[in-house]
Amino acid sequence: DVKVTQSSRYLVKRTGEKVFLECVQDMDHENMFWYRQDPGLGLRLIYFSYDVKMKEKGDIPEGYSVSREKKERFSLILESASTNQTSMYLCASSLTSGRTPGKETQYFGPGTRLLVL
Amino acid sequence: AQTVTQSQPEMSVQEAETVTLSCTYDTSENNYYLFWYKQPPSRQMILVIRQEAYKQQNATENRFSVNFQKAAKSFSLKISDSQLGDTAMYFCAFMKPRGGTSYGKLTFGQGTILTVHP
Repeated sequence: DVKVTQSSRYLVKRTGEKVFLECVQDMDHENMFWYRQDPGLGLRLIYFSYDVKMKEKGDIPEGYSVSREKKERFSLILESASTNQTSMYLCASSLTSGRTPGKETQYFGPGTRLLVL
Repeated sequence: AQTVTQSQPEMSVQEAETVTLSCTYDTSENNYYLFWYKQPPSRQMILVIRQEAYKQQNATENRFSVNFQKAAKSFSLKISDSQLGDTAMYFCAFMKPRGGTSYGKLTFGQGTILTVHP
């Protein structure tokens, strides 16, 4: 089974702190994604990575950065946390399938609920 | 840009009955993929069912089936013989085929909370 793990289930930080959210997958997937989930808004893509050291902005990248130094690990960084970044953060990974892109199912981690005070 | 709309914030159903969750989307693409994901109260999101737009046949997975209406851009999920374990938030999602800068990104709807009552 694919396993995507996230470093924390719950996190409480202060405004202005630098926050690191870690995600690790064990299935050698090329693609990794960071979403935030807010009530009434669904999931919105923050950043994604399709290879080591490669990254692309998603729909809401402002206030975030990412790092992918190893294939299995994708980190989300909040350089200076703000209260409007209080949210549930979900990491996902998927395989690249050149012939059958619809098979690129995204597998999700359990999520990190971040509270910024 | 693609948009996905789930117009039912909450739904409820009695155990063993059938329920249908609605989803509409907007795209100018001809080839794409549609998904339903389930997020139980424990929060781990899992794939329920997938539909390729070029296939006319509706996808089915055991008690889960879809009604895919490409011209109407509608993609509803039908759950038959509902079980207590089906209680979850359900998300509809759209994916463009890989190519250019799409990289298989998913666009999600707002979600529908489904409660199955005993």
